[in-house]
Amino acid sequence: DAMVIQNPRYQVTQFGKPVTLSCSQTLNHNVMYWYQQKSSQAPKLLFHYYDKDFNNEADTPDNFQSRRPNTSFCFLDIRSPGLGDAAMYLCATSRDLGFMTGQSEQYFGPGTRLTVT
Amino acid sequence: ELKVEQNPLFLSMQEGKNYTIYCNYSTTSDRLYWYRQDPGKSLESLFVLLSNGAVKQEGRLMASLDTKARLSTLHITAAVHDLSATYFCAVLTTSGTYKYIFGTGTRLKVLA
Repeated sequence: DAMVIQNPRYQVTQFGKPVTLSCSQTLNHNVMYWYQQKSSQAPKLLFHYYDKDFNNEADTPDNFQSRRPNTSFCFLDIRSPGLGDAAMYLCATSRDLGFMTGQSEQYFGPGTRLTVT
Repeated sequence: ELKVEQNPLFLSMQEGKNYTIYCNYSTTSDRLYWYRQDPGKSLESLFVLLSNGAVKQEGRLMASLDTKARLSTLHITAAVHDLSATYFCAVLTTSGTYKYIFGTGTRLKVLA
């Protein structure tokens, strides 16, 4: 089955120690998104890739970076995690951007729960 | 600033009862999505509403969209315990760039 996969599902890192979260998709979608969701809050978009074009949200801290080496994979790098970065990180994909029917529906991965000690 | 507001934020209801969750948004959009999230889990897509007047139903849940009022509703009929979860609406906006804006979420608890 086509799907969005995130690894690892649970990640524990130390304060200030760089960490990378991984997302892969078998849907061959053009767009990949990274969201941060803290407890009892709505998901917050960090950035997205449309193909190789990177789109950063204005309020995403510089501490968060992303790479998309190919269509299938996208990585979230947290350069120096702080205690406030502990959250669920959700990867999502959509076939395209735009209002054409079916283009923009998002498909979410299972998430990676990040703990910072 | 684009806002997507849901109410209520918390809802505790008895099994067998009906209730409606409201999603109001402040920008022009005719793409609205409803998701369910169980504790510690990811988002599960429930409904995709693509035009004014759209209505979709799945089991005990029915969603509708009124783009003129900038309002979507998620109606629960004869609630059962398994519907306990947090429900999010999300609006797709083209303001500046295409992106999804999520509502605040409604935490639903169905009591047996």
